[in-house]
Amino acid sequence: GNSVTQMEGPVTLSEEAFLTINCTYTATGYPSLFWYVQYPGEGLQLLLKATKADDKGSNKGFEATYRKETTSFHLEKGSVQVSDSAVYFCALLYNQGGKLIFGQGTELSVKP
Amino acid sequence: NAGVTQTPKFRVLKTGQSMTLLCAQDMNHEYMYWYRQDPGMGLRLIHYSVGEGTTAKGEVPDGYNVSRLKKQNFLLGLESAAPSQTSVYFCASSIGQRSPYGYTFGSGTRLTVV
Repeated sequence: GNSVTQMEGPVTLSEEAFLTINCTYTATGYPSLFWYVQYPGEGLQLLLKATKADDKGSNKGFEATYRKETTSFHLEKGSVQVSDSAVYFCALLYNQGGKLIFGQGTELSVKP
Repeated sequence: NAGVTQTPKFRVLKTGQSMTLLCAQDMNHEYMYWYRQDPGMGLRLIHYSVGEGTTAKGEVPDGYNVSRLKKQNFLLGLESAAPSQTSVYFCASSIGQRSPYGYTFGSGTRLTVV
């Protein structure tokens, strides 16, 4: 079936460090891929998305490229800030009923 | 502000009690969803609706019921709460199947069953 696997957290980085959060997926057909962010005590917010192979989604300095050959959608940021501390969820959306499938989430903690 | 509103934000129930969680959206979205979030398990779909008057089961529907009598509202009911239903519940909505914008989420309801 369709599924999403993320790297386990928590991930702890110093401010201005480079961030990579790995995400791989299993899906039939051609899903759309998303990254959501959840700040403490809040709901999920859409961070970026890609709807077809080789698309690059970007927002707030974060980027992710839809790699069909490796079934991956890794999240990257060149220089993290303390305000980026949050839980990040990778998700895929497939045709049947428009249901998002989430990974387990990766907690990021950025220290000054 | 337009969006998804969930009530209540917090609730403590005793085992066996019942309650209803309300989700309201003002974006005229067709699709609505209820998820639960548990540590290390991400978000799991409980029930969803593809339009007014419709409901369908998700990944973990047991112990929950839902209703979508009006397009803008999606209610989640617990008839007899159990400690295993202690969780954070999120409602979401979308414009339709394969929405390029993903979902819009509410801020969540933290439910504790003792």
